[in-house]
Amino acid sequence: RKEVEQDPGPFNVPEGATVAFNCTYSNSASQSFFWYRQDCRKEPKLLMSVYSSGNEDGRFTAQLNRASQYISLLIRDSKLSDSATYLCVVKNAGNMLTFGGGTRLMVKP
Amino acid sequence: IAGITQAPTSQILAAGRRMTLRCTQDMRHNAMYWYRQDLGLGLRLIHYSNTAGTTGKGEVPDGYSVSRANTDDFPLTLASAVPSQTSVYFCASRKTDGNTEAFFGQGTRLTVV
Repeated sequence: RKEVEQDPGPFNVPEGATVAFNCTYSNSASQSFFWYRQDCRKEPKLLMSVYSSGNEDGRFTAQLNRASQYISLLIRDSKLSDSATYLCVVKNAGNMLTFGGGTRLMVKP
Repeated sequence: IAGITQAPTSQILAAGRRMTLRCTQDMRHNAMYWYRQDLGLGLRLIHYSNTAGTTGKGEVPDGYSVSRANTDDFPLTLASAVPSQTSVYFCASRKTDGNTEAFFGQGTRLTVV
């Protein structure tokens, strides 16, 4: 089993839709969690950190469920520009960052 | 330099040749990482360094070596390239205190023929 798992998708949604991605992690000692966005042939860039109490940044909401060992990302009112691959990232005690395989989102007009 | 820079941006390399991918950051981040990204496999950690003078092995270290002589530079060397090392390589850095994000270089697209 991979340490960090994501549904690869693709998720095909119309503009304005709400879409949610989940990510599960296997190491219960994981300390920090992030969502990154990666556009085609570009480097990953931080979308948002995920805090224990959950956090929101505009149309994006991240949640952490430590008991079930998953994190989620909710995107409301999808835009064409949201089309990208979303990467779940987990940091463990050794400062290593482990990436999920990514979930591809395609927002269509 | 602003942020983290990789060189070259792309390279075609003959199998058996030695190659060093360069990574430099000017953010004084103590931790640096090398990942490779392959279709269907996501980003996999090759080697990392939590501070200058120390390095560690990641998930896929075989065939690669790194050094961390100073805070800014973290070169990745392929001693004798093989076609399975064809990939996109990303270098990243971060501060290790607190819940801090990693910043990535633009990537190096390497093709071994």
